[in-house]
Amino acid sequence: TQLLKQSPQFLSIQEGENLTVYCNSSSVFSSLQWYRQEPGEGPVLLVTVVTGGEVKKLKRLTFQFGDARKDSSLHITAAQTGDTGLYLCAGANNNNDMRFGAGTRLTVKP
Amino acid sequence: GAGVSQSPSNKVTEKGKDVELRCDPISGHTALYWYRQSLGQGLEFLIYFQGNSAPDKSGLPSDRFSAERTGGSVSTLTIQRTQQEDSAVYLCASSFTGGNYEQYFGPGTRLTVT
Repeated sequence: TQLLKQSPQFLSIQEGENLTVYCNSSSVFSSLQWYRQEPGEGPVLLVTVVTGGEVKKLKRLTFQFGDARKDSSLHITAAQTGDTGLYLCAGANNNNDMRFGAGTRLTVKP
Repeated sequence: GAGVSQSPSNKVTEKGKDVELRCDPISGHTALYWYRQSLGQGLEFLIYFQGNSAPDKSGLPSDRFSAERTGGSVSTLTIQRTQQEDSAVYLCASSFTGGNYEQYFGPGTRLTVT
């Protein structure tokens, strides 16, 4: 059973389009992280959100943590081919360990 | 400074053999995680070490899997009597502590069981 459900599982878009991917859970998290993983490499942290309702922007990427701290979204504006990768969300519980979702595999076509 | 390193980078083994995978975390990081990632899939949590506390082994899929962390640094993941379904990339990550601190991942060990 996946504690964190990510959707969509796969997403293929054209360069320049906008997109949103989601991370949902029935559990409350003390914090939530988004990572991006490229083929043959380990995941790399993009952002950490800790406050319900928090919105963080990282250039063309906008991250939102739900008010109830159970879900999160990642919005990419004007996607580029370099955004291609596996986007993983990870939630920390009160025991301070992290659990990952299955990821959204994004392909941005030129 | 040096990142998380893992060895070997690739391992091919015959079904039924034992394998050991090694992880060298970043110096000073007290938390260490092992994950398994099957082709095209997300990360499956295996085990978590935090300082001197008892490890969280709740993700280990069977008693053929075990891990230890010596001296609070290097960790070894051992898989006994390997099966074909054990084939995957095994990723190790470390962080300053648990919780919402950034996890730094190694490049992984690709295990193929034939």
